[in-house]
Amino acid sequence: DAKTTQPTSMDCAEGRAANLPCNHSTISGNEYVYWYRQIHSQGPQYIIHGLKNNETNEMASLIITEDRKSSTLILPHATLRDTAVYYCIVRVTGSGNTGKLIFGQGTTLQVKP
Amino acid sequence: DSGVTQTPKHLITATGQRVTLRCSPRSGDLSVYWYQQSLDQGLQFLIQYYNGEERAKGNILERFSAQQFPDLHSELNLSSLELGDSALYFCASSTTPLAGETQYFGPGTRLLVL
Repeated sequence: DAKTTQPTSMDCAEGRAANLPCNHSTISGNEYVYWYRQIHSQGPQYIIHGLKNNETNEMASLIITEDRKSSTLILPHATLRDTAVYYCIVRVTGSGNTGKLIFGQGTTLQVKP
Repeated sequence: DSGVTQTPKHLITATGQRVTLRCSPRSGDLSVYWYQQSLDQGLQFLIQYYNGEERAKGNILERFSAQQFPDLHSELNLSSLELGDSALYFCASSTTPLAGETQYFGPGTRLLVL
């Protein structure tokens, strides 16, 4: 699985959009970008994933660059409850591949009032 | 609530002892994964089961073993415990073992070895 690079920490004002970047310059054509978050030692929570098109769900939006070498997770209106460690993970999909997730160090997002 | 349950929530034991952690996957999920999160190693994949069979192995010590039962619940057995085994242990489940399936994590078991 491709390696990812994320900033160690970020701050965001409550109510503003939080934009979390991730670099995955060695990503392959069959690798998806997944985002999970972990709130204070709770179990990691799935947020969103995508291959090459931008994706949006009720939690967030995922913007993937055209060359797929980087992506941005957007929390449109951050709240204090979004304070967490955010993990960007790239995974090979398709039969024959294991489902294991390889977590990096992630980005600690602090949402401030 | 992810639908994945883990018991116990907390466990305190002594070095050299053996413990069993239990995981019940979401209804309908056939694949179970175990992860360990320690302060110095971060979240690490240990082992994966699918429908009772071992599917993949990660950085799991020989002192650790796991199994998945016919009712699909899974147990992680940790023996000859050392201080360094103190960590959070998470279980996750997915519908199938394919890498494209979303994994849903349980609340974890916090193990403290004294």
